[in-house]
Amino acid sequence: EVQLVESGGGLVQPGGSLRLSCAASGFTFSTHWMSWVRQAPGKGLEWVANIKQDGSEKYYVDSVKGRFTISRDNAENSLYLQMNSLRAEDTAVYYCARDIHQLPLPYFDYWGQGTLVTVSS
Amino acid sequence: SYELTQPPSVSVSPGQTARITCSGDALPKKLAYWYQQKSGQAPVLVIYEDSRRPSGIPERFSGSSSGTMATLTISGAQVEDEADYFCYSTDSSGSHRVFGGGTKLTVL
Repeated sequence: EVQLVESGGGLVQPGGSLRLSCAASGFTFSTHWMSWVRQAPGKGLEWVANIKQDGSEKYYVDSVKGRFTISRDNAENSLYLQMNSLRAEDTAVYYCARDIHQLPLPYFDYWGQGTLVTVSS
Repeated sequence: SYELTQPPSVSVSPGQTARITCSGDALPKKLAYWYQQKSGQAPVLVIYEDSRRPSGIPERFSGSSSGTMATLTISGAQVEDEADYFCYSTDSSGSHRVFGGGTKLTVL
């Protein structure tokens, strides 16, 4: 059974940093792209970033470029999101999702339960 | 920026057919996917590639797409189908991954 378990969320002041983690199990982590998707309170879903199997390619939504960094450790079956210079608008539940990065269109097939990040003074 | 448009809410009685639409200019060329999100839970994929159903998803869930509109149909909706439903696709270039704003389905 595919399992994705996020951790690391919490309350942080504007301008602060936070590192999210996602522990994966039940599948061969090293053979899949992975993504972070977020959901602001009462809002819709927004793809944030993704990373190739070996970490050689990374992509970000424009609003987080230069502030967030996605990474992975295939030996530990873990995905990370380093978030710096946090803003109030980054407040959201952050989901780790397995990314089916294939033609005709990439999509997400499994999601974790999410971790809440609150940016507030 | 590219947008997928969904109605904010749909309401049906148990046993009725619920239809949730998703409109987007690129949908004639791009596939649509649908996610179900129950309160406080992670999204679950219920339809992929317009009309395919993942294993474990009840047969009452079906999808279709025509022109600029994709539709999720729940035939004989049940109370446990109450949830938010999000469509997902990309823009025509394939470079921007977009979710619809979500539709709250009420079954009562």
